[in-house]
Amino acid sequence: ETGVTQTPRHLVMGMTNKKSLKCEQHLGHNAMYWYKQSAKKPLELMFVYSLEERVENNSVPSRFSPECPNSSHLFLHLHTLQPEDSALYLCASSQDRDRTYEQYFGPGTRLTVT
Amino acid sequence: GQNIDQPTEMTATEGAIVQINCTYQTSGFNGLFWYQQHAGEAPTFLSYNVLDGLEEKGRFSSFLSRSKGYSYLLLKELQMKDSASYLCAVPLDSNYQLIWGAGTKLIIKP
Repeated sequence: ETGVTQTPRHLVMGMTNKKSLKCEQHLGHNAMYWYKQSAKKPLELMFVYSLEERVENNSVPSRFSPECPNSSHLFLHLHTLQPEDSALYLCASSQDRDRTYEQYFGPGTRLTVT
Repeated sequence: GQNIDQPTEMTATEGAIVQINCTYQTSGFNGLFWYQQHAGEAPTFLSYNVLDGLEEKGRFSSFLSRSKGYSYLLLKELQMKDSASYLCAVPLDSNYQLIWGAGTKLIIKP
């Protein structure tokens, strides 16, 4: 595997379910990000991790819970989501947390909350 | 406040040239990124400008004017595969984030 991978690619869940999104980067990067992308809206940064430490949390509802067990893996745990949480969830990594570094994105997980 | 504006959608003809504009308002400046995103796929890096002027990279060029808070992406010899959304992003001055434009959807017609 190369680059940034995400699983699953598609997920349909009910509002009472619990699921997790997984991201893995094979680039040796130190920073990882979760973004939410909704149709015709700018990318919304949710969380930033640098060397497994969360450095940004953009007022994201507690029904989204990130986990970064090591610098190569990032999870987003989901529970009791709302229909408005349906979106494309993108994971990205960069060499370092400095905002001027290029970010490499995974293919995303298309989430539908029913 | 901090804001990025870019057109929602543009249409161009195969073989032609198109210019996609981006204007930004930020408290500081740490460069400007352009990314390309095909439908259903991940955004991919195109360019990063931190100095004024035009930077050419094959068929794609990116221009920056810091005094005007303005950038454009110039695509030459358009191909059907250039149909995608083009995202403009600027690093915030105070932390690790980028602020992103909503993207310009480019439609290429034969």
